[in-house]
Amino acid sequence: RKEVEQDPGPFNVPEGATVAFNCTYSNSASQSFFWYRQDCRKEPKLLMSVYSSGNEDGRFTAQLNRASQYISLLIRDSKLSDSATYLCVVNGKGSGTYKYIFGTGTRLKVLA
Amino acid sequence: NAGVTQTPKFQVLKTGQSMTLQCAQDMNHNSMYWYRQDPGMGLRLIYYSASEGTTDKGEVPNGYNVSRLNKREFSLRLESAAPSQTSVYFCASRNREANGELFFGEGSRLTVL
Repeated sequence: RKEVEQDPGPFNVPEGATVAFNCTYSNSASQSFFWYRQDCRKEPKLLMSVYSSGNEDGRFTAQLNRASQYISLLIRDSKLSDSATYLCVVNGKGSGTYKYIFGTGTRLKVLA
Repeated sequence: NAGVTQTPKFQVLKTGQSMTLQCAQDMNHNSMYWYRQDPGMGLRLIYYSASEGTTDKGEVPNGYNVSRLNKREFSLRLESAAPSQTSVYFCASRNREANGELFFGEGSRLTVL
């Protein structure tokens, strides 16, 4: 089993829709969680960090559920420009603190 | 600002040849990383360096070696390239402050024939 797992999609949604992605992780000692966005053939870029209490950045909301070991990303009012691959990232604790593991990514296509 | 710079951007090798991918960052970051990305596999961690003078294996280290030359530079070497190493390679760096964001280079596309 991979340390970090995501549904690869693609998720095809119409403009204006709300879409949610989940990401599960296996290391219960993980301390830091992130969502990255990757456009086709480009490098990944940070979308948002995920905090224990949940956090929001405009149309994007991230949640952490430590008990069930998953993080989620909710995108409201989807735009065409949101079409991309969304990658969740988890790091470890102790000696693994600096070890950042990516999920396989979830592809989102927002349709006009 | 250059950020993270990788060279070369494209390379074609024959099986058994060796090569080194270079990575340099100008953000005074402590940690540096090498990932590979294959279709449907996401990014997989090859090696990382938490700080100057240290390196550790990631998820897929076999067939690779790394050198943390100084705080700025972290190189990845393929001693005897294999077709299975055809991939896009990304270097990243990270500081220890704030949210620990990873900053990536633009990637190096390697084809092994």
